[in-house]
Amino acid sequence: AQSVSQHNHHVILSEAASLELGCNYSYGGTVNLFWYVQYPGQHLQLLLKYFSGDPLVKGIKGFEAEFIKSKFSFNLRKPSVQWSDTAEYFCAVNKDDKLIFGTGTRLQVFP
Amino acid sequence: DVKVTQSSRYLVKRTGEKVFLECVQDMDHENMFWYRQDPGLGLRLIYFSYDVKMKEKGDIPEGYSVSREKKERFSLILESASTNQTSMYLCASSLTIGTSIVSYEQYFGPGTRLTVT
Repeated sequence: AQSVSQHNHHVILSEAASLELGCNYSYGGTVNLFWYVQYPGQHLQLLLKYFSGDPLVKGIKGFEAEFIKSKFSFNLRKPSVQWSDTAEYFCAVNKDDKLIFGTGTRLQVFP
Repeated sequence: DVKVTQSSRYLVKRTGEKVFLECVQDMDHENMFWYRQDPGLGLRLIYFSYDVKMKEKGDIPEGYSVSREKKERFSLILESASTNQTSMYLCASSLTIGTSIVSYEQYFGPGTRLTVT
């Protein structure tokens, strides 16, 4: 079945560590890609998005993601995490006018 | 800023009750969506609507219905609540740009945590 996969379910890091969260999708053709974040007790909000052009996309709060078409991947990165990055992160693919979400990655950052 | 509001943050209902979850957006968005969020399953689309009085089934519509009588309001209805419908329900809205109904991003409400006992 076509899907969006986030292989890291729970990631624990210390502050200043580097972060990479994996996202793979199995849809062919043109896709639009998103990363959403849900901070504790807050609503889901957009972190960054890719539609076309430069495959390296920069988002809010120092996050970036790289679209690698040949690998069907859209991994999220941040060079140095902060305690305030503790949240749940969702990758999503816009296909056929629907957003298909991954199962999410829970990130815990300890001081 | 886009604002999507949901009628309740927490709701407790009994099995068999009819439940209404309300969602209102204030940015004149054409498209509105209902998801449920469960641990380990991410967000799953229940229903969506791209115009007033229009509705489309998502991936898990069974046991749910929706109503969109006004552009800004999208209601999710649980006809006869069951314990397996205990979940976090998220509403979202988006603009139509060009021919795509999910062109750029969806704006989410704070969610309603529904418990069915």
